[in-house]
Amino acid sequence: NAGVTQTPKFQVLKTGQSMTLQCAQDMNHEYMSWYRQDPGMGLRLIHYSVGAGITDQGEVPNGYNVSRSTTEDFPLRLLSAAPSQTSVYFCASSYSETYYGYTFGSGTRLTVV
Amino acid sequence: AQSVTQLGSHVSVSEGALVLLRCNYSSSVPPYLFWYVQYPNQGLQLLLKYTSAATLVKGINGFEAEFKKSETSFHLTKPSAHMSDAAEYFCAVRAVGSGNTGKLIFGQGTTLQVKP
Repeated sequence: NAGVTQTPKFQVLKTGQSMTLQCAQDMNHEYMSWYRQDPGMGLRLIHYSVGAGITDQGEVPNGYNVSRSTTEDFPLRLLSAAPSQTSVYFCASSYSETYYGYTFGSGTRLTVV
Repeated sequence: AQSVTQLGSHVSVSEGALVLLRCNYSSSVPPYLFWYVQYPNQGLQLLLKYTSAATLVKGINGFEAEFKKSETSFHLTKPSAHMSDAAEYFCAVRAVGSGNTGKLIFGQGTTLQVKP
């Protein structure tokens, strides 16, 4: 049982480049979220989804896009990378709402230079 | 709106000593509350959760937390710290209200150091 898988684990981008952070889960979870983690700021919600075809913005959505074409996958796209997007990104999924608590992936450490 | 405040960004204890990590929340409705642990270079792992059942919640690795409505607190404790408990701990509350389905709001985190 793989849980939540994020790729890549590390990435360095140049300012202005675009890329997609991949997230896949094999637990048939409906709820999926993307968070970014910055020192002293905890985790902040970027985008989330309550099912295939349904996405919504979180606290810090600017500069990021998401789509949810399948239950399993929830990719996060950086449209034009900026140094302010240097962070650790976590994908998480949950069976239903938040009653069960989210299962987190191991993260993607992104550096934008 | 919901919010979470973790008191103390760093807590240091000796091995074998009591661990107490503080979390206060703000919520207009009965909350769902969570504690997560993050070991270095890893994702977050659920320690325990409160979802309006027993007010004393037991989690993994010997941790427990008590929900106190009158104090709007959900502090995490462990009677005897182990070196392997050194990690960052996050308190979180379920967001409620229109458009907030499935959202968690996290505190800033508390780094626990355990000294030999």
